[in-house]
Amino acid sequence: AQSVTQLDSHVSVSEGTPVLLRCNYSSSYSPSLFWYVQHPNKGLQLLLKYTSAATLVKGINGFEAEFKKSETSFHLTKPSAHMSDAAEYFCVVREDDKIIFGKGTRLHILP
Amino acid sequence: EPEVTQTPSHQVTQMGQEVILRCVPISNHLYFYWYRQILGQKVEFLVSFYNNEISEKSEIFDDQFSVERPDGSNFTLKIRSTKLEDSAMYFCASTAPSPGEQYFGPGTRLTVT
Repeated sequence: AQSVTQLDSHVSVSEGTPVLLRCNYSSSYSPSLFWYVQHPNKGLQLLLKYTSAATLVKGINGFEAEFKKSETSFHLTKPSAHMSDAAEYFCVVREDDKIIFGKGTRLHILP
Repeated sequence: EPEVTQTPSHQVTQMGQEVILRCVPISNHLYFYWYRQILGQKVEFLVSFYNNEISEKSEIFDDQFSVERPDGSNFTLKIRSTKLEDSAMYFCASTAPSPGEQYFGPGTRLTVT
């Protein structure tokens, strides 16, 4: 059965420092994996996706994620945080038409 | 760029009333979904719909909820007798066949008074 675990419910980083949001998944076979961002009072926006091509995926706003099958992880990173990155981030796994959301990680950016 | 649309953006209703939330998925997509997000909480899956029938539903999706694709474009969520705890943001999504991503609508904020 599929599952998604976002290991941190809250992450705080200082502006200009690296961001790491962790996600682990379980799946019967190679799934599709996504990261979505939700800014306050806004809808869900796709940041990036992995669909069995390159394991290092680049997304919008300087974010990237690496699919590591051996670790069943799909962590989201950004080299330098910006104040506008403060939002809720969701890791999502898709297997056929079954889609599972992680519980979300709220990213706080400290000035 | 194609997009999923939802109407209305905000719906206020009295407890016990019926509401219908409307969504227009992307035209060539085949899978449709409803999610809800109670204020300050995580996104929760409600139901998925494929080939004119429900393919999966969560325990939240009880008998007061129903979905319909009344024509070739709309996908609706009906809540038969609203409760205070139904107040939430409701998101519609659609996908092309695997492995593509879900495209989300902007959401409908439902307030039950």
